[in-house]
Amino acid sequence: EPEVTQTPSHQVTQMGQEVILRCVPISNHLYFYWYRQILGQKVEFLVSFYNNEISEKSEIFDDQFSVERPDGSNFTLKIRSTKLEDSAMYFCASKRGEVTGEQYFGPGTRLTVT
Amino acid sequence: GENVEQHPSTLSVQEGDSAVIKCTYSDSASNYFPWYKQELGKRPQLIIDIRSNVGEKKDQRIAVTLNKTAKHFSLHITETQPEDSAVYFCAATSNQAGTALIFGKGTTLSVSS
Repeated sequence: EPEVTQTPSHQVTQMGQEVILRCVPISNHLYFYWYRQILGQKVEFLVSFYNNEISEKSEIFDDQFSVERPDGSNFTLKIRSTKLEDSAMYFCASKRGEVTGEQYFGPGTRLTVT
Repeated sequence: GENVEQHPSTLSVQEGDSAVIKCTYSDSASNYFPWYKQELGKRPQLIIDIRSNVGEKKDQRIAVTLNKTAKHFSLHITETQPEDSAVYFCAATSNQAGTALIFGKGTTLSVSS
């Protein structure tokens, strides 16, 4: 069964550094998402991406964040200048073409900002 | 925007008992309500979902009920087993507000044998 994959599994970075988190969504899916989960808290929506553009974003997704689909398979989240409070698990998810339906989550990237 | 409240935050049951987790949502346009199970350090996995045109859905020991008028939905797990121990998240979304899932804060279910 196809799965969403994410790399790296764990990223440690210093405050102020740029990080890029990578995701490979399920190949025939059209909607892509980034969520984050601070340790012990709920999963929070960051951004959704459809038809090569951002379709919606949350208040968390400020100018420090950007997303890109550089080729036909990868979906990336860039944080330009990391802050301590960016430390969290970042989940990528993808969904088939229907408007509502199951979102399949990747295994996550644990980002630690020191 | 949508806001999802989930109760209780923790739930301890004996093996074989039933467990009920409740969620309320604020946006009347929401029409899709999934439940995810998350084991420690792992990805959220969908266990059951319900759409707004249905009042109840069942899959073996798991059922979900939806009351659109009251804007609440519940997860019911019968005959609980130790392997049911995990964090359970409810979520809501609508195709009018977008497709983002808005999650509740989660319920930590502990099933003791």
